[in-house]
Amino acid sequence: DSGVTQTPKHLITATGQRVTLRCSPRSGDLSVYWYQQSLDQGLQFLIHYYNGEERAKGNILERFSAQQFPDLHSELNLSSLELGDSALYFCASSVALGLGAYEQYFGPGTRLTVT
Amino acid sequence: TQLLEQSPQFLSIQEGENLTVYCNSSSVFSSLQWYRQEPGEGPVLLVTVVTGGEVKKLKRLTFQFGDARKDSSLHITAAQPGDTGLYLCAGARAGGTSYGKLTFGQGTILTVHP
Repeated sequence: DSGVTQTPKHLITATGQRVTLRCSPRSGDLSVYWYQQSLDQGLQFLIHYYNGEERAKGNILERFSAQQFPDLHSELNLSSLELGDSALYFCASSVALGLGAYEQYFGPGTRLTVT
Repeated sequence: TQLLEQSPQFLSIQEGENLTVYCNSSSVFSSLQWYRQEPGEGPVLLVTVVTGGEVKKLKRLTFQFGDARKDSSLHITAAQPGDTGLYLCAGARAGGTSYGKLTFGQGTILTVHP
């Protein structure tokens, strides 16, 4: 158990709909990273939040947005869903090891199926 | 452009064989992690290497960080069916404002047959 929690575990929805994925980082970690993993694209970085502020954006579509709340949990909102959005979505929190070194701990993921 | 090239992409071996997975880049990393992921589950951190030339051992797994901190390898001795899974390397770039963002390799799918 990494200490990172994600809900729900599975989500099935129709095209055009909107869903919200939730993540809580490990106790004491201020960072949350969101990733998308599909069969043909591998693990793709979407967005990074640190203590409520957006720090970095990756390959995140405009239909997707995220936020981190004062209690440090984060939500990833996916709207106008398309079949191609079906994937595993992971969040991770990180710990700094010093001298620019970091390691990330991943949650169990949310499997999104768009029908 | 893939910043971390991981090879091989697929590896199918018999129980008891040894194997090595490589992770190469032209960039310098402050740290490099190896993860193992099973289908439908999140990547699980195996090890973090930080110092150039560092070697870490985890039972039958040996991890090495290149002297220049641009590459790494994972060696498994006497592989077992329980080692089957997706192995991912990931690096934190040195300098800049990466804030801990990791760059992932494409992954190596390892299958160990009994």
